[in-house]
Amino acid sequence: ELKVEQNPLFLSMQEGKNYTIYCNYSTTSDRLYWYRQDPGKSLESLFVLLSNGAVKQEGRLMASLDTKARLSTLHITAAVHDLSATYFCAVDAAAGGYQKVTFGTGTKLQVIP
Amino acid sequence: KAGVTQTPRYLIKTRGQQVTLSCSPISGHRSVSWYQQTPGQGLQFLFEYFSETQRNKGNFPGRFSGRQFSNSRSEMNVSTLELGDSALYLCASSSLGRHEQYFGPGTRLTVT
Repeated sequence: ELKVEQNPLFLSMQEGKNYTIYCNYSTTSDRLYWYRQDPGKSLESLFVLLSNGAVKQEGRLMASLDTKARLSTLHITAAVHDLSATYFCAVDAAAGGYQKVTFGTGTKLQVIP
Repeated sequence: KAGVTQTPRYLIKTRGQQVTLSCSPISGHRSVSWYQQTPGQGLQFLFEYFSETQRNKGNFPGRFSGRQFSNSRSEMNVSTLELGDSALYLCASSSLGRHEQYFGPGTRLTVT
């Protein structure tokens, strides 16, 4: 069974600091997604990573994918309060004859002014 | 372009009843996926429909079913509701496989 592990589960950081969220997964996949969810809201797509070595950046967020290590990272640069949210990675892989998307547990980010 | 819409937004049902949730994808999107989100189990994939056919499914019991219509709108049905079915049900649409999914606001189902 595909396992997707995120760490840390909870991250409290001060504005202006940098940090990285890690997403490890247990099976072969070359599609990985990052989403943001604000409290009580739906999911917002941040990045779609489709190949080994893919790197995408949007504002203060940068995501990368290493399919050989089965690892993706979401790097936050100079955090601001508006980035406070829960971040999910999700892996698209075959499981039991089907393709399915498996989400990580999420990382709740709190940016303190 | 209008986003993904889901109806109803909130629903309260009693154990043993059944419920139908609806999802209208972004215009032109033919793939619709459904997810269940709970505090305990997190986000779990239910199934995906493409061109009126179930293409993929997750590990949920047969009480959970769905369908997709020719206009790509999708419905999800849960029969014989259990307390554990209380959750936020999200649908997502995409245009090419699942490269990028756009999520609807969700339907919050409470089973009492």
